[in-house]
Amino acid sequence: DIQLTQSPSSLSASVGDRVTITCRASQSVSRYLNWYQQKPGRAPQLLIYGAFNLQSGVPSRFSGTESGTDFTLTISSLQPEDSATYYCQQSHTTPWTFGQGTKVEIK
Amino acid sequence: EVQLVESGGGLAQPGGSLRLSCAVSGFTFSNYWMHWVRQAPGRGLEWVSRITSDGSSIIYADSVKGRFTISRDNAKNTLYLQMNSLRAEDTSVYYCARDPLQFGTAFDYWGQGVLVTVSS
Repeated sequence: DIQLTQSPSSLSASVGDRVTITCRASQSVSRYLNWYQQKPGRAPQLLIYGAFNLQSGVPSRFSGTESGTDFTLTISSLQPEDSATYYCQQSHTTPWTFGQGTKVEIK
Repeated sequence: EVQLVESGGGLAQPGGSLRLSCAVSGFTFSNYWMHWVRQAPGRGLEWVSRITSDGSSIIYADSVKGRFTISRDNAKNTLYLQMNSLRAEDTSVYYCARDPLQFGTAFDYWGQGVLVTVSS
């Protein structure tokens, strides 16, 4: 199975900060990498698909990039409503797998 | 408005069975692949199973293969997950999710989740 390792596991940042989360795949997933946001007690929400495509309705402060087996999710200007756990997910090879999550807190 | 509503969760004994349902509305159900994804309490997300739009192709995670069965009724706009031989480690919130098939597999709409607890 393809393993996805996210870093950091958690972070605390201030409103307006630029925040970057990394997801490293154990083998090539090409651009088949998606990002989700999950708030407590809620279902996950798709943010980015295909490494850098913004899902409809998602604010433009969210963006994704890819460099080999390393993927990043960037929040350009952190907002209070961005407090959540973020997961990456690969769709290159079954079984589709998720990273362990990165918890983002607001200072 | 796209809606997915799960039901059928609850408490089951080890070795027991439960059947989850996911009733959908707001889109043409028969056009989409569908998935079940689960999340153990305080843990991350785990993909469980996928069924294609016409039900002709089904795959499972190894952790549930041979015990869980995914199915769908396109006439009733409903997805199912039959869970047999339940184990304590199956305790999770189970989500049904739609696959938009826009670039590989992703999950663009999710249900609210239903809790399955396996305990004696």
